[in-house]
Parts: sequence; C-alpha cells; structure tokens
Amino acid sequence: NAGVTQTPKFQVLKTGQSMTLQCAQDMNHEYMSWYRQDPGMGLRLIHYSVGAGITDQGEVPNGYNVSRSTTEDFPLRLLSAAPSQTSVYFCASRRQGEGGYTFGSGTRLTVV
Amino acid sequence: SQQGEEDPQALSIQEGENATMNCSYKTSINNLQWYRQNSGRGLVHLILIRSNEREKHSGRLRVTLDTSKKSSSLLITASRAADTASYFCATEESETSGSRLTFGEGTQLTVNP
Repeated sequence: NAGVTQTPKFQVLKTGQSMTLQCAQDMNHEYMSWYRQDPGMGLRLIHYSVGAGITDQGEVPNGYNVSRSTTEDFPLRLLSAAPSQTSVYFCASRRQGEGGYTFGSGTRLTVV
Repeated sequence: SQQGEEDPQALSIQEGENATMNCSYKTSINNLQWYRQNSGRGLVHLILIRSNEREKHSGRLRVTLDTSKKSSSLLITASRAADTASYFCATEESETSGSRLTFGEGTQLTVNP
C-alpha cells in the first residue's frame, strides 16, 4: 500500500513548455484533488474529482487541465508553463464519506 | 481566496509546554480539519471535527469548534521537538458535494528542546 504517489519530485521547465504531473493512489479512493502551495501560503485548490470521468475546477484552475480516466490516476497538465506556476504541487485523495485526505509528498516545479 | 485565517503565524515554545493555534473561517462548514506539514514534506491529517461537535481529542491533541464564532483551536499538550512543523486548518463546506477543502495560511510551530 503505497498511498498517494507523485512524480516527478522535482522539475524545471522553460516558459511555454508543457508537462504532466502524475498522481496515483492505490487505496481505491473516489475523491482526488490537486493543490498548489506558494511560499508563506496555505494550499489552494486547482482541480478536483469525485470519481472516474468526473472533474471540476477549484479556486485557481487557469493554465491547468486534468482528466480522471481511472479511479487510481489523476494527472495534472500544464498547458504552457509560466513563471507564475512556479510552486509546490500536492495531490490528495480520500474515500467518499470519510474525513481526512491522504497527501502525496509533492512535486516542486520551477518555471524559468 | 483563503477561507481560514490562522493565528499566530508563528509560535515558539519550549519542550513540555502546551501550544495553542487558532483558526477562523468565513462560511458555513460541514467539518474542519487540522493538518501538519513538516518542512519539505506533504501534509498529514491530524484530526477532523464536524460542525455538530464542540470538542474532540486525539492523543495529545485537543480541537475545539465554535460555529457561532466561526473559529477553531488546536491544542498540543506536552509538546516535543518532533512537533516542530507547520499546522494548517482546512474547512469543508459539504462532505458529499465535491469535497473541496479550503486551507488557512498556517501556523509555524517551533518546539525548542
């Protein structure tokens, strides 16, 4: 039982490049979310999903896409990276009806 | 926008002392959760308190919730150096409608040995 696995752990992108941050969980959790954390701030919700095939926007969705083709995977795509997207990205999941989320260890992204 | 505001932003105490962190929020909630984040790591869920509960305990943690004041507090008793971390409150407006957590900005706790 690996929990929530995020890859890569670190990434440097040039402005305008695209990439996908991977998130996988092996706990059969229905709910999955992506957050970004900027220095001195709490986490802000980017996109979330309540099950396979269902996604919705969070607080800061611009510049990001998601899909949920399986229960296990919830990739986050940066369409055209900008320096403002430099941040630490966290994926989280939980079972429907249960309270606390399980978080991944994060992806630290730098856009130059 | 951030739902929660945490107070204080930073707290430094000696080992063995109690640490109290406060969280205020703006909208009606289904539950409020507390998370811990060690430097450079992911968040770890500590405790959840539902809107119809006033107090909850888990080990050395005690959480209170006052929905009339839209505020919560987290008390860590007999603190240890290993409790050094950032602590975040997060609110959930509905447990079934998408489960959107809204986080506060966190309290940085330093426990000196």
